[in-house]
Amino acid sequence: AQKVTQAQTEISVVEKEDVTLDCVYETRDTTYYLFWYKQPPSGELVFLIRRNSFDEQNEISGRYSWNFQKSTSSFNFTITASQVVDSAVYFCALIFGNEKLTFGTGTRLTIIP
Amino acid sequence: KAGVTQTPRYLIKTRGQQVTLSCSPISGHRSVSWYQQTPGQGLQFLFEYFSETQRNKGNFPGRFSGRQFSNSRSEMNVSTLELGDSALYLCASSPDAGTGYNEQFFGPGTRLTVL
Repeated sequence: AQKVTQAQTEISVVEKEDVTLDCVYETRDTTYYLFWYKQPPSGELVFLIRRNSFDEQNEISGRYSWNFQKSTSSFNFTITASQVVDSAVYFCALIFGNEKLTFGTGTRLTIIP
Repeated sequence: KAGVTQTPRYLIKTRGQQVTLSCSPISGHRSVSWYQQTPGQGLQFLFEYFSETQRNKGNFPGRFSGRQFSNSRSEMNVSTLELGDSALYLCASSPDAGTGYNEQFFGPGTRLTVL
């Protein structure tokens, strides 16, 4: 069975601080995909990134960066110079084969002005 | 291009009633997936439809059902509502089948409250 763990339930940081959201996953398959989604107060899930299991390169997109490490089964997400608009619930998710997308429990991030 | 739309946005029902939620995917997308989000259980996959066929199903009782029409619009139905069915129901569309291999675009959700 596949599983995604986001141990941080809630995080609060002061604006402009950097923050890292942790994601640890479990799967027995060698081919899988990992995702991060953002859910603002409006409720709509916003896609941030998809990474396949064969691509361990870290990725940077503006203030966002992702660190994928197969050795530790982690796919962590860092926001640099956080802004109030980053306040949301962030979900990490996993899928392999023809299985359903499995989400972590989410991390509620609050950026304090 | 218009995004995923869901109707209604809010719904209040009483126990024992049934409810139908609607989802219109992004134009050209053929896959529609449904998810239930509750504070206790988090985000859980309900089912995926592709070309009017259910491709995948989550671990929900038979009271939860869905269908997809030839224009890719999808509906989900919950019969004999229970208090625990109160949740945000999210719909997502993607161009092709496979909930993971394509980026999914989510709608704003339908907030269902069962009294």
